[in-house]
Amino acid sequence: QKEVEQNSGPLSVPEGAIASLNCTYSDRVSQSFFWYRQYSGKSPELIMSIYSNGDKEDGRFTAQLNKASQYVSLLIRDSQPSDSATYLCAVQGGRTGTASKLTFGTGTRLQVTL
Amino acid sequence: DAEITQSPRHKITETGRQVTLACHQTWNHNNMFWYRQDLGHGLRLIHYSYGVQDTNKGEVSDGYSVSRSNTEDLPLTLESAASSQTSVYFCASTERVPGELFFGEGSRLTVL
Repeated sequence: QKEVEQNSGPLSVPEGAIASLNCTYSDRVSQSFFWYRQYSGKSPELIMSIYSNGDKEDGRFTAQLNKASQYVSLLIRDSQPSDSATYLCAVQGGRTGTASKLTFGTGTRLQVTL
Repeated sequence: DAEITQSPRHKITETGRQVTLACHQTWNHNNMFWYRQDLGHGLRLIHYSYGVQDTNKGEVSDGYSVSRSNTEDLPLTLESAASSQTSVYFCASTERVPGELFFGEGSRLTVL
């Protein structure tokens, strides 16, 4: 079982719709969770971080965390063609010796269609 | 503006050659990381450093080494390049752990 799992996609949504990206993780004591966006041929950039259960909103983006289910998601409202990218879920370990280790999923490719 | 730069951006080398990828950041971050990114594997941690003279192995460190002689630089060396090391390499830094990673633009390495 991979430590951080994401559906590779592509996830195709029409412009203006809500895009829902999902991520599950295996380390139950993980404490920090991040979503990075990566455009083709570019480096990843952070768009959201979340540390406690519940929702965290930032503009059109909402991160949702459920530690009991080991599940983190990213919702993008009013999707725009400029949101077309690969979204990487990253989880920071919580066990001794792994606190620094940030484990990335393989990413979900999002396509926003006109 | 503070930044993180990698060089070279593209390199083609031959099997068995030694290769060094440079990473330089001007944020004065203590924490620096090297990742490789391959299709189907995502970003995998090669080595990381929490400060000068500190280096640690990541999950895919075999065949790679790093050294940290100052805060700004963390060069990555491939002692004897292998075709399996063909990849895109990203350097990253952060002020605190956990925290936002700032990535360089990447170095695409091809080993023939």
